[in-house]
Amino acid sequence: DAKTTQPNSMESNEEEPVHLPCNHSTISGTDYIHWYRQLPSQGPEYVIHGLTSNVNNRMASLAIAEDRKSSTLILHRATLRDAAVYYCILRDVFLGGSQGNLIFGKGTKLSVKP
Amino acid sequence: DGGITQSPKYLFRKEGQNVTLSCEQNLNHDAMYWYRQDPGQGLRLIYYSQIVNDFQKGDIAEGYSVSREKKESFPLTVTSAQKNPTAFYLCASSRSQMASGANVLTFGAGSRLTVL
Repeated sequence: DAKTTQPNSMESNEEEPVHLPCNHSTISGTDYIHWYRQLPSQGPEYVIHGLTSNVNNRMASLAIAEDRKSSTLILHRATLRDAAVYYCILRDVFLGGSQGNLIFGKGTKLSVKP
Repeated sequence: DGGITQSPKYLFRKEGQNVTLSCEQNLNHDAMYWYRQDPGQGLRLIYYSQIVNDFQKGDIAEGYSVSREKKESFPLTVTSAQKNPTAFYLCASSRSQMASGANVLTFGAGSRLTVL
């Protein structure tokens, strides 16, 4: 299974942009890149996903490297409510059964300072 | 509003007792999942179900059981055979487990089980 590597933790100042990196050097051509985040004592929530092109939504932007071996989740202006654990996950478009399930690693714990 | 409801939010159990965690969704999703999360760790898959009356074991199914009699409901029973049941349990759903890698998961708020 293609795996992802993320830093254990990052810090940011409030109202500044945050770039959360993710390496996935063994990504296959049919793997989607998903990002979820989990606030303390809550369930994870979907943030964004993409395949090849950069993606934007109301929560964040996803920048995908041209070779797709890495990606970056961008929070344009961090707020205190963005403090959470951010998970970068790969999901194959073709695989079914247990191989199609999302595998959550430990993620990156983002701290936001006022 | 559509979503996933897990209950109870907190649950205490004595050793040797079975306990059932409820998960209900009104999103009309076909697939449902149960994950376990231990402190400081990622999520591990316990069971998943793609359609009614069908479910599959995940990575850590031992000591757990599930049923999927209705599309909306996917209860998880933590049995006395589970050696270390104290954890945070998360239920999730998606439109279809099989259809596409683009399908996203919607999670419930979780149930925290503590064995006394």
